[in-house]
Parts: sequence; structure tokens; C-alpha cells
Amino acid sequence: NAGVTQTPKFRILKIGQSMTLQCAQDMNHNYMYWYRQDPGMGLKLIYYSVGAGITDKGEVPNGYNVSRSTTEDFPLRLELAAPSQTSVYFCASTPGTANTEAFFGQGTRLTVV
Amino acid sequence: GENVEQHPSTLSVQEGDSAVIKCTYSDSASNYFPWYKQELGKGPQLIIDIRSNVGEKKDQRIAVTLNKTAKHFSLHITETQPEDSAVYFCAASRWDTGRRALTFGSGTRLQVQP
Repeated sequence: NAGVTQTPKFRILKIGQSMTLQCAQDMNHNYMYWYRQDPGMGLKLIYYSVGAGITDKGEVPNGYNVSRSTTEDFPLRLELAAPSQTSVYFCASTPGTANTEAFFGQGTRLTVV
Repeated sequence: GENVEQHPSTLSVQEGDSAVIKCTYSDSASNYFPWYKQELGKGPQLIIDIRSNVGEKKDQRIAVTLNKTAKHFSLHITETQPEDSAVYFCAASRWDTGRRALTFGSGTRLQVQP
């Protein structure tokens, strides 16, 4: 099983550019999440989704957008990249049932210069 | 919202010693407390979790304890080995309702010296 797959692994953006971070899971999980991890810090929730067509904001949503058209995919869009968005981004999924283990992707390291 | 504090931020132990990491949470409605291990360049991976109807849980060399009254929980690693070296995160959430999203502590970098 691939689990949670994130692409790309690394990316350098210039200030003001846009990009989409891709996330796909093959476990048929209902719940999907985007977190960012800044150096020496824990993970902060950006957006989450409880199922296809349903998304909601987390703690730090400003500067980001998401969509969930299918159960498998949960892309994160950055519009007008800023240096403050330099971080490592993790996508995660969980079944949303009594089995609550969250499975994480390998992360995308993004640098905005 | 939930706030999770984690201590210490770094911990260095000799191989074979025990390591203890402590976390406190703020939301008394939280009822699920997992611990994740993150190795360099990888995503976090669940190592053990506990729910609020349980006070202690063990899995070989690792154990977690939960004190609901004081709103704190701890990770205990016994007989540490070099491969235990990593960053450990505690987290809290509601597992039975709502968004079920994890709120993470700031992490503990554990170094096990051979």
C-alpha cells in the first residue's frame, strides 16, 4: 500500500508565485488534513476535510486554499507565496471511525525566496 | 481551542536508560492522546496512543500514562536504544466527534548516546 503520497518533495518558490501541493491516499479514509511544521515547532493545522465536498479551516488557514472533489485527493493551493509560508507541509488521513490512527505523508519542503 | 504543551524540548540519555516526556493539555473534552515519532526527513508515525477511559497503556518498551484530573500525559521509554533517537510529539483530540484533528505539542528531540 502506498498510504499517503505527497508531491513534490521539495520546491523553491519566488515571492508572489502560486503552486499546488498534491496529496493522495489509497486507504479510503474519510478525513484528510494539511499541517505545516516550522523549525523546532509542532505541527499546525491549516485545513481539513471530513469527506468529499466538505472542507473547513484549521488554526492557520490564511494564504491557503483547499478542495476535496474525491475521497482520495486533497490538494493545498498557495496563492501569492510569502516568505512566512516557508515550512514543511504534511498531509495526513484517518478513517474517522473508532480507528483513529493518523497516517502522514513524507512531507513537502517549501522555501519561498 | 486545545493547547498542548510538551517538555522537555531536548533530552539526552545513555543507551539502556529510561526517557520520560511530559505533556499537558487544556481542553477537558479531549479524549484521545497519541504519541508520534518523527525520524529525519520523514512524516510522523504513531507509536502508541491512549484514550481517556484508560489510565495506562504499555507496548513492549514504551508506555503512556494519563491523568485526566490534572490534564497531563506522559511517554515512558525504557531500555533506550540508539534507534530510539528521533523527535517525539504528543497530541490531543476528540476521537468520537467533530473534526478529529490532532493538536500537537512542540516536540522533544531525544538523543540516545551509545
